[in-house]
Amino acid sequence: GENVEQHPSTLSVQEGDSAVIKCTYSDSASNYFPWYKQELGKRPQLIIDIRSNVGEKKDQRIAVTLNKTAKHFSLHITETQPEDSAVYFCAASVNYGQNFVFGPGTRLSVLP
Amino acid sequence: EAQVTQNPRYLITVTGKKLTVTCSQNMNHEYMSWYRQDPGLGLRQIYYSMNVEVTDKGDVPEGYKVSRKEKRNFPLILESPSPNQTSLYFCASSFGRAGYEQYFGPGTRLTVT
Repeated sequence: GENVEQHPSTLSVQEGDSAVIKCTYSDSASNYFPWYKQELGKRPQLIIDIRSNVGEKKDQRIAVTLNKTAKHFSLHITETQPEDSAVYFCAASVNYGQNFVFGPGTRLSVLP
Repeated sequence: EAQVTQNPRYLITVTGKKLTVTCSQNMNHEYMSWYRQDPGLGLRQIYYSMNVEVTDKGDVPEGYKVSRKEKRNFPLILESPSPNQTSLYFCASSFGRAGYEQYFGPGTRLTVT
């Protein structure tokens, strides 16, 4: 079955710097890759997603890139702000969102 | 207000005592799913449902049951809970499998002693 690895497990950046989180997946049939943000004590919320027929997607300060050949995808956050501090989860799915496999999460701390 | 609700939010129970965690959504979503969240392991999918009377196993279905008799409800049943099922449980729903956003419920923290 699918296996998703995520690195780093923790990440600290200065406010205004960029943050990059990388995920690798094992099943080449995976075709949908969402990213979720979970603030302390709250539920996960989708922040961006990408399908396998697209190489990059941007939404303001957030972008996701996908390399299907290498089977990895990355989350890029530019101009980080303290409110970006949270745990971020990547996920991979076959059939565009049926069975989801999540990575273990990255705890991002943005230092003022 | 569009939302996914779960009940109860907190539950402490004993080994072997059957329990049900309810999940309901008011967005007419076809797809619903249950996850458990444990430290260092992320979210792991237990069961999912593509529509009424259509359910399938996720990655960690052992010890759990689900049913989907109505579109809005997707209860999670633990017939004989064990301490290794102590976890934070999330229900989620979306319009369908075609890459639509999953909306998560507030979570249910379950402790089995």
